[in-house]
Amino acid sequence: ETGVTQTPRHLVMGMTNKKSLKCEQHLGHNAMYWYKQSAKKPLELMFVYSLEERVENNSVPSRFSPECPNSSHLFLHLHTLQPEDSALYLCASSQVQSPALYGYTFGSGTRLTVV
Amino acid sequence: AQSVTQLDSQVPVFEEAPVELRCNYSSSVSVYLFWYVQYPNQGLQLLLKYLSGSTLVESINGFEAEFNKSQTSFHLRKPSVHISDTAEYFCAVSESGGSYIPTFGRGTSLIVHP
Repeated sequence: ETGVTQTPRHLVMGMTNKKSLKCEQHLGHNAMYWYKQSAKKPLELMFVYSLEERVENNSVPSRFSPECPNSSHLFLHLHTLQPEDSALYLCASSQVQSPALYGYTFGSGTRLTVV
Repeated sequence: AQSVTQLDSQVPVFEEAPVELRCNYSSSVSVYLFWYVQYPNQGLQLLLKYLSGSTLVESINGFEAEFNKSQTSFHLRKPSVHISDTAEYFCAVSESGGSYIPTFGRGTSLIVHP
């Protein structure tokens, strides 16, 4: 399997639930990212992991908690979310040395609905 | 810091007609420019990029974009669109020599009618 794989594709959760999103890449990349995509808004960068260390946070609420156990896997742990957190969550990966040169590889996303 | 403006949120066009999706950027330094495409229920895919050299760059499926430094633009064009080109298109910019993380525009929805 190649590319960036995200699971689940769809998730409906209540505001009191705890769930996790998973991202896996098989491209040999060493940087991974979480983005939030809301309708007609620019992509919002949430977290960056470079060489398995968190580099940027961008003031994301603490109800979102990332985890990067190795360079191939990235998780986004969710708890006590709000309805406005409903969005498409995209994972991406790149080579940390040259993301600007070759761009990102994105997964298909997880469509999250908070009820 | 860089910024990106996509002037049109939606562009409807008939099949086989030409199309232009507009993108303007703001940056105080040299930039790299990208166009990504997002088909329904999928993630973003890199369509084409400008890094340096020739200001006209092309994709394998007939799209092209031209870097215009004086107008700080990177408009995307296709001379004849297909139904299958219906998608969301995102322009992105990153600063060369600076933060490598690109800034994305809000996206333009291209809707191709038969």
